[in-house]
Amino acid sequence: DAGITQSPRHKVTETGTPVTLRCHQTENHRYMYWYRQDPGHGLRLIHYSYGVKDTDKGEVSDGYSVSRSKTEDFLLTLESATSSQTSVYFCAISSSETQYFGPGTRLLVL
Amino acid sequence: AQSVTQLDSQVPVFEEAPVELRCNYSSSVSVYLFWYVQYPNQGLQLLLKYLSGSTLVKGINGFEAEFNKSQTSFHLRKPSVHISDTAEYFCAVSDLGYGGSQGNLIFGKGTKLSVKP
Repeated sequence: DAGITQSPRHKVTETGTPVTLRCHQTENHRYMYWYRQDPGHGLRLIHYSYGVKDTDKGEVSDGYSVSRSKTEDFLLTLESATSSQTSVYFCAISSSETQYFGPGTRLLVL
Repeated sequence: AQSVTQLDSQVPVFEEAPVELRCNYSSSVSVYLFWYVQYPNQGLQLLLKYLSGSTLVKGINGFEAEFNKSQTSFHLRKPSVHISDTAEYFCAVSDLGYGGSQGNLIFGKGTKLSVKP
């Protein structure tokens, strides 16, 4: 157990509304990641962070922003949600060259 | 750029039979290799990993994988599967990073293992 929690675990929202997902870790890991999982695509990296206020884009970053003001929290924001952002979102941390994943957030955009 | 190919999207198998889930990768640099398992409606759990050393890696739940550099493969095997092994399995590759940075993970699209009684 890498001490990762995600909130909310489930969310239903409407197109055009802003949404923020939170990832919280308890073990002071430097690297944190946000992925989305869609059928037939595996997991794809959205954004990652390598320290407080240090973030970078991943493969599918369009429409997403992130923030990391504290080591333990990594926030993913959908500024204006679209139906194509309906997905399961996973947060991960890196420890000893290995990534460990949170339980996921299931997001439905209507 | 790195890529990962999982050659089978679905693998049905009978209980107590052996199974092999295939994974090939492409990379121009040295890599780390991982297998993760995802049970229905759950997150990803690390099954096993290859970072260095012996090319035969043993993981949890009786699974093992062999790193074959010449074939650029990292196939997952289990000699006798159980109903409880029904899940989706993901192969992933990471480069070694540089300048102290962490390599990012590239995932395959997953293989759904279905174990039938």
